[in-house]
Amino acid sequence: NAGVTQTPKFRILKIGQSMTLQCAQDMNHNYMYWYRQDPGMGLKLIYYSVGAGITDKGEVPNGYNVSRSTTEDFPLRLELAAPSQTSVYFCASSSDPNYNEQFFGPGTRLTVL
Amino acid sequence: RKEVEQDPGPFNVPEGATVAFNCTYSNSASQSFFWYRQDCRKEPKLLMSVYSSGNEDGRFTAQLNRASQYISLLIRDSKLSDSATYLCVVNDYGQNFVFGPGTRLSVLP
Repeated sequence: NAGVTQTPKFRILKIGQSMTLQCAQDMNHNYMYWYRQDPGMGLKLIYYSVGAGITDKGEVPNGYNVSRSTTEDFPLRLELAAPSQTSVYFCASSSDPNYNEQFFGPGTRLTVL
Repeated sequence: RKEVEQDPGPFNVPEGATVAFNCTYSNSASQSFFWYRQDCRKEPKLLMSVYSSGNEDGRFTAQLNRASQYISLLIRDSKLSDSATYLCVVNDYGQNFVFGPGTRLSVLP
């Protein structure tokens, strides 16, 4: 199993550009999450999904959008990149968040200049 | 008050030392608790779940005090490889995992 994979690993964007961060998992997990982690800070939840076709906002959703058309994939879209979105983005999945751990992808380092 | 708070750190300890980290959470309805480890510029990885009765995994011991809304992690006989940031994570019975800011540990030779 590959676990949780993310692409790209690194990206530099100009202000106003758009991009999609890809996330996929092969563990058949229903629950998937997107977090951002700013330097020296904890993880903050952007969006989450409890299954295909169902998504909901987390703590910091502004400036982002998600979709969940399949169980495996959970892409995160930035429509108009801003310097405040410079961060490391982690995708995670879980089988049952009430009892079980989250598995994280390796992260995408995004810089907006 | 922040939802999950941790010792600010950093902790700099010599090899072989015992070190303890503390974590407090604000939501008394929280259901599950975890310690994650995050190496520099890497993703968080589960270190151990924390059970009501306390649990031990080798040199690591986790304790939960629901009445005080407090979680601890004890590391005995510290190794250089234990150097990392330790994240306290609380789940509020559902999809909402709340992460603490982390406590950085440096084990020195």
